[in-house]
Amino acid sequence: EDKVVQSPLSLVVHEGDTVTLNCSYEVTNFRSLLWYKQEKKAPTFLFMLTSSGIEKKSGRLSSILDKKELFSILNITATQTGDSAIYLCAVNKGAQKLVFGQGTRLTINP
Amino acid sequence: SQTIHQWPATLVQPVGSPLSLECTVEGTSNPNLYWYRQAAGRGLQLLFYSVGIGQISSEVPQNLSASRPQDRQFILSSKKLLLSDSGFYLCAWDRGTDTQYFGPGTRLTVL
Repeated sequence: EDKVVQSPLSLVVHEGDTVTLNCSYEVTNFRSLLWYKQEKKAPTFLFMLTSSGIEKKSGRLSSILDKKELFSILNITATQTGDSAIYLCAVNKGAQKLVFGQGTRLTINP
Repeated sequence: SQTIHQWPATLVQPVGSPLSLECTVEGTSNPNLYWYRQAAGRGLQLLFYSVGIGQISSEVPQNLSASRPQDRQFILSSKKLLLSDSGFYLCAWDRGTDTQYFGPGTRLTVL
């Protein structure tokens, strides 16, 4: 059975800290891995990763994929209160199928 | 640019009542369309997807059904709601690429 597991499920840090969110997967027919940020409503797209070892970066956020060990990490440096959200990891296995993890609820305290 | 709409934003319905949630996409043609449900504290579960008008694939056997009467319209329905149908319903679209884009969601509470 396809499985995407995120850890930790919940994380509380202080503003300015650096956080690392983890996503491991066991999925047949892997095509890509996606990260989304969900605040109150719609998940918004952050990154899509297809190749191992190539870091994707956007401002203070970065992500990397390891296809040998079947995991990805999402790093956020110099966190701000606006980074508080649920971060979702999903694996695209083709044929219109995204398999989502449970999400990591990140809380940034001022 | 593309925009995805969902309505209503929130809904409170009694057990046994019918349901109709609507999703429309603007600014693209022939999108793939998806319905997901997100239970509290959990990830997204794919319910239905559609690659074209009248074409619906169901992922999870349940009390719900979906229809796609027009190219950019996707409807989620139920004839009789159950308590377990409560949740946050998200519609999403893509154009055959790996990235799906989500609508604002409908929060459904069944009492």
